[in-house]
Amino acid sequence: QKEVEQDPGPLSVPEGAIVSLNCTYSNSAFQYFMWYRQYSRKGPELLMYTYSSGNKEDGRFTAQVDKSSKYISLFIRDSQPSDSATYLCANDMRFGAGTRLTVKP
Amino acid sequence: DAGVIQSPRHEVTEMGQEVTLRCKPISGHNSLFWYRQTMMRGLELLIYFNNNVPIDDSGMPEDRFSAKMPNASFSTLKIQPSEPRDSAVYFCASSLAATNEKLFFGSGTQLSVL
Repeated sequence: QKEVEQDPGPLSVPEGAIVSLNCTYSNSAFQYFMWYRQYSRKGPELLMYTYSSGNKEDGRFTAQVDKSSKYISLFIRDSQPSDSATYLCANDMRFGAGTRLTVKP
Repeated sequence: DAGVIQSPRHEVTEMGQEVTLRCKPISGHNSLFWYRQTMMRGLELLIYFNNNVPIDDSGMPEDRFSAKMPNASFSTLKIQPSEPRDSAVYFCASSLAATNEKLFFGSGTQLSVL
């Protein structure tokens, strides 16, 4: 079992939709959780960084951590075509498989 | 800051040849990571260094792979001999510390082994 599990998708939504991306993790010792965004032919770049349970909001993006169920989520409000990318959840230095998102105009 | 710099951007080689990938981390970062990304396996951690010392190389696939960090500003990942199944995008990343820190990635090296 991988330490971080993520549905690879792909996921396609219309512009303006709310997007929900999810991951589960196996190691209860995990405390820090990150979401990275990767555009085609580029390296991943950090999008959100959270510690402990609860929500963290940054503009249209909200990261949510539920330690009781070992579940982490990323929500994108009012999605834009420029949000089309692969989103990877990560704990420490381990990454999920990445979910490929396409936002259609 | 120029960010993490990797070279070459693309490498095409024949099976059996030696391949060397290079990385320059962000100045002041103490940790350096090598990842491999494929469609099938996603982003896999190969090895990471802290203060130029290899800490965890359990992700290195086999003895054909080796990595070095001779100083704080340079690291190499070598594959000898290369095989077609090594074809992937190899990323280098650096961070301020080894754990629970934000990683900054380079643009990657696209390796094709024919």
